[in-house]
Amino acid sequence: GENVEQHPSTLSVQEGDSAVIKCTYSDSASNYFPWYKQELGKRPQLIIDIRSNVGEKKDQRIAVTLNKTAKHFSLHITETQPEDSAVYFCAASTSGFQKLVFGTGTRLLVSP
Amino acid sequence: GAGVSQTPSNKVTEKGKYVELRCDPISGHTALYWYRQSLGQGPEFLIYFQGTGAADDSGLPNDRFFAVRPEGSVSTLKIQRTERGDSAVYLCASSFGPGGEQYFGPGTRLTVT
Repeated sequence: GENVEQHPSTLSVQEGDSAVIKCTYSDSASNYFPWYKQELGKRPQLIIDIRSNVGEKKDQRIAVTLNKTAKHFSLHITETQPEDSAVYFCAASTSGFQKLVFGTGTRLLVSP
Repeated sequence: GAGVSQTPSNKVTEKGKYVELRCDPISGHTALYWYRQSLGQGPEFLIYFQGTGAADDSGLPNDRFFAVRPEGSVSTLKIQRTERGDSAVYLCASSFGPGGEQYFGPGTRLTVT
C-alpha cells in the first residue's frame, strides 16, 4: 500500500522567514495530495491541496509543488507569522481521493 | 450544524469494556470517514462509508472494531473488548461526495485504563 514520508519532523523559523516541508510517496498511482494544519488539541484543517494533473498551486502565502517523476511534493509558506505555528500533515490518496494516507507530521514553530 | 461533530469528546473506559463513538457529518455529505490518531502521529485510515454502505474497511485493525451508518448520516464506531493499545484520538471526517474535500470533526479522545 501507499507510504508517505514527511520531513522535517520539527522546523523552527523566525517570523517573516519562509518554511518548506517535504513529503515523498511510494505509490505512483497516487493522484491527490492535501495538506492539513492541526493546532494543539484541535481538528486537522485543510489548507491547500493539489491533484496530479497540476505541478504547482498557490494560495496567498501558501504554495504546494508536485514532482510526479520523483514522487514528492512540498509545502511552502512565505512570510511566516506566529499564528502559522502548528503541526502540518501531508497526505496522499490513490483511491479516487477517498482513503487518505498521512505523513507523520511537521511541527512548525514561528518565533516573533 | 455547521461542521462535523463527534461525541463524546473524551471517553475513559476500562480494559475489556465496549465503547461506542458517534459522528455527525455535515448535512448533505454522503461520504464519511473514520481515522485514528495516536500521539505524535498522523491520522490513520480506518473505514470509509458512501451512503449507508462501507465502501472500504481495509483500515480496521481487527474484528473488535466495527462501524455502522444505518441511515446514511450519523455513524457509530464500535469497539469491543477494548485494549490499552486502542487509546487514541478517533477522528471522523465527511465530504460532499466521494473524492471531495474531507472536513474533520474535533475527535473523541479514548483512554483505555
